[in-house]
Amino acid sequence: AQTVTQSQPEMSVQEAETVTLSCTYDTSESDYYLFWYKQPPSRQMILVIRQEAYKQQNATENRFSVNFQKAAKSFSLKISDSQLGDAAMYFCAYRSWLNNAGNMLTFGGGTRLMVKP
Amino acid sequence: NAGVTQTPKFQVLKTGQSMTLQCAQDMNHNSMYWYRQDPGMGLRLIYYSASEGTTDKGEVPNGYNVSRLNKREFSLRLESAAPSQTSVYFCASRPEGLTTGFDQPQHFGDGTRLSIL
Repeated sequence: AQTVTQSQPEMSVQEAETVTLSCTYDTSESDYYLFWYKQPPSRQMILVIRQEAYKQQNATENRFSVNFQKAAKSFSLKISDSQLGDAAMYFCAYRSWLNNAGNMLTFGGGTRLMVKP
Repeated sequence: NAGVTQTPKFQVLKTGQSMTLQCAQDMNHNSMYWYRQDPGMGLRLIYYSASEGTTDKGEVPNGYNVSRLNKREFSLRLESAAPSQTSVYFCASRPEGLTTGFDQPQHFGDGTRLSIL
């Protein structure tokens, strides 16, 4: 079974600065997907960025980018030019390439990001 | 707005009471999921439905039942609520059901906060 670990329960960043959230995972599979979801106080789960394991290039989405280190099983999220609206819980998630368990997501425990004005 | 709709948003139950959480999506998605989110933990899969008429257990199915009423609706039932089931419940849906190799993300509802006294 896969596991996802987020070792930082809370992080804080100054507005306009850059912050990196860590995520590590454990799997025996060679192909899979990784995601970062954002959960603001409204509780809605919002997809931030996704990465296919077979792609060597790190995914980017505007101010959000990832550092995907497949050998180290690490998938960190970098937020540049942090904004007050970035304050939220961030969840790292894993999904197998194979069609098992309905393509279920395995989530990490989350990191609460606070943005200081 | 199109998306995943959960009802109710909040509910308080007494131990032993029964309750059904409703979920509906209008995106014509095949797969639907029920997760629970506990403090300090990521979302954990309770049940999923890869297509209309099929349901399967996830990581934490004990104490729950589900019904995939039609393609749009996927309900979660607590037959005899217990305090350990106090949690926030999320429903999600995803376009592809039994196809491998697609990285379509799951779309989440806003969650139902359930407290059991």
